Amino acid sequence: EVQLVQSGAEVKKPGESLKISCKGSGYIFTSYWIGWVRQMPGKGLEWMGIIQPGDSDTRYSPSFQGQVTISADKSISTAYLQWSSLKASDTAIYYCARGRNTWTEIDFWGQGALVTVSS
Amino acid sequence: QTVVTQEPSFSVSPGGTVTFTCGLSSDSVSASYYPSWFQQTPGQAPRTLIYSTNTRSSGVPDRFSGSILGNKAALTITGAQADDESDYYCVLYMGSGISVFGGGTKLTVL
Repeated sequence: EVQLVQSGAEVKKPGESLKISCKGSGYIFTSYWIGWVRQMPGKGLEWMGIIQPGDSDTRYSPSFQGQVTISADKSISTAYLQWSSLKASDTAIYYCARGRNTWTEIDFWGQGALVTVSS
Repeated sequence: QTVVTQEPSFSVSPGGTVTFTCGLSSDSVSASYYPSWFQQTPGQAPRTLIYSTNTRSSGVPDRFSGSILGNKAALTITGAQADDESDYYCVLYMGSGISVFGGGTKLTVL
């Protein structure tokens, strides 16, 4: 059974760092790209970036380039999304999803991880 | 900046047919944009309905179909049911590994 299991909810203060994870199982992790999607409270989905875990080829939305870092550890079938200095505006649910062909064939989503940034 | 456009809202009667569209502010949408469609109910993760214009994801009933209509991608629900009441999002592939979501369409079934 394919699963993408994301790390749990986080509550952080502005300026703190954070790394959240997305662990794949039930399939060959390096056969699919992993993408990250933001959903701010009451808003729509936003494409952040993708990574191919096999060679760590990473692409970012211009809106998120330099704001976050996407990485992966194929040895443990896990992708990551990290911030070096959180802002209140980073408060959102973050989803990972897998897809073939540079994430044009997206077929499975993680359950989402709520990140709350508040002083 | 590329803007992907979707209707903000739609309503449909149970058993009816509804078609949502997904367009571009600066171009016509074709299959080379690999349009995909997702359904999201409140409090839940998105669910993939359609990818690569018209390929249904595993387990998606055939009353959901994708196509290109004119210069836009389209998602059609035939025989709408109460539990189709959700938000629907499209995403388009812009090339170089970059994709962009539309703003979403809220469907009411009444």
